[in-house]
Amino acid sequence: DAGVIQSPRHEVTEMGQEVTLRCKPISGHDYLFWYRQTMMRGLELLIYFNNNVPIDDSGMPEDRFSAKMPNASFSTLKIQPSEPRDSAVYFCASKSQGFGNTIYFGEGSWLTVV
Amino acid sequence: QQPVQSPQAVILREGEDAVINCSSSKALYSVHWYRQKHGEAPVFLMILLKGGEQKGHEKISASFNEKKQQSSLYLTASQLSYSGTYFCGTPETLKAAGNKLTFGGGTRVLVKP
Repeated sequence: DAGVIQSPRHEVTEMGQEVTLRCKPISGHDYLFWYRQTMMRGLELLIYFNNNVPIDDSGMPEDRFSAKMPNASFSTLKIQPSEPRDSAVYFCASKSQGFGNTIYFGEGSWLTVV
Repeated sequence: QQPVQSPQAVILREGEDAVINCSSSKALYSVHWYRQKHGEAPVFLMILLKGGEQKGHEKISASFNEKKQQSSLYLTASQLSYSGTYFCGTPETLKAAGNKLTFGGGTRVLVKP
């Protein structure tokens, strides 16, 4: 089975530009998560969806960040405008319904804002 | 509030053992353990759901002490492939149990020949 698929794997952009990260979760999974990882703050949950509906976006740092999930097989995380402090690895992850099920991560999108 | 992991880093010789701890100031409803190699995604190792539960994956095992609000990961007879950063993840509330995981700061493990 294919795992969580993210694109792009690497992105270098200039400050002020819009960045869009994409994610395809594992087929059949009901939950989709966006995490950000930095050396300083570790793995932080930004937002998560259940059946395409945003459930908790309390981790989204600012209004510059937005996430959508138009259907069960696709989600985007957008940063507009981007800033150097947004440089991080952004992981998308998914899981299926159930207390005993765990989260599976994608390979990550490495973002550098210069 | 994120769980606290200790130690932050450990260096082992191949064949040696190590213990990584994950503790929380709040009730623990489940504990998920992951390993992340440099430049890669975190990979799921095991999940512990009940107090007193113990599990194993290769020669890596874990225990869950619900009363003490902590879990421990045991690396036994470590291999070079065990190198990486180990994270524990826990749900913040029972309602979020199994859904929203908060991760500890990680424990870096380096196994040398």
